[in-house]
Amino acid sequence: DAGVTQSPTHLIKTRGQHVTLRCSPISGHKSVSWYQQVLGQGPQFIFQYYEKEERGRGNFPDRFSARQFPNYSSELNVNALLLGDSALYLCASSLGVGSSYEQYFGPGTRLTVT
Amino acid sequence: GESVGLHLPTLSVQEGDNSIINCAYSNSASDYFIWYKQESGKGPQFIIDIRSNMDKRQGQRVTVLLNKTVKHLSLQIAATQPGDSAVYFCAENGKSSNDYKLSFGAGTTVTVRA
Repeated sequence: DAGVTQSPTHLIKTRGQHVTLRCSPISGHKSVSWYQQVLGQGPQFIFQYYEKEERGRGNFPDRFSARQFPNYSSELNVNALLLGDSALYLCASSLGVGSSYEQYFGPGTRLTVT
Repeated sequence: GESVGLHLPTLSVQEGDNSIINCAYSNSASDYFIWYKQESGKGPQFIIDIRSNMDKRQGQRVTVLLNKTVKHLSLQIAATQPGDSAVYFCAENGKSSNDYKLSFGAGTTVTVRA
């Protein structure tokens, strides 16, 4: 069975550009969460979506946005990229929302902003 | 700010010995904790979890201990193997209104010596 998949694996962008990262959850999972992991730190929560609705938002600027599609896949968009946005962006999926549902992480997208 | 943190950023252990990784949290209302393992180039992988109504939980070669009095939890790995080399994170699955985001600590890098 396929796990959580993310694309692209790596990308390099220039300051001021925008980027779209994609995530496909495990089949049957209806919740997707996004995390940012800066080198040497733990992941930081960005967004959570469930049944196409935003269920949670972390402490990130409005340059960050996301959406979930009817097939439960998700996109994370970041506008006006800054050097500090360079990080590993992780997507996690779960069957539902709540502590009873284990979150399964994808391998991440490594974003480098120059 | 973060509600969880780890005591030591690195741990070197001899193959075959037991490993103990520690984590402190500050939110006394936290009711669910998870340990994750992250290998290089991969997303975090679930190891074991524990709820606040428990003091100890055992898995295969791993044990998690929770001390609510001092807000501390630990991960014990028995007979550490080279494949256990990774970064280990404790995380709190907190709940705020309708979301269940994971709040991660900074991580402990475990290196297993042959």
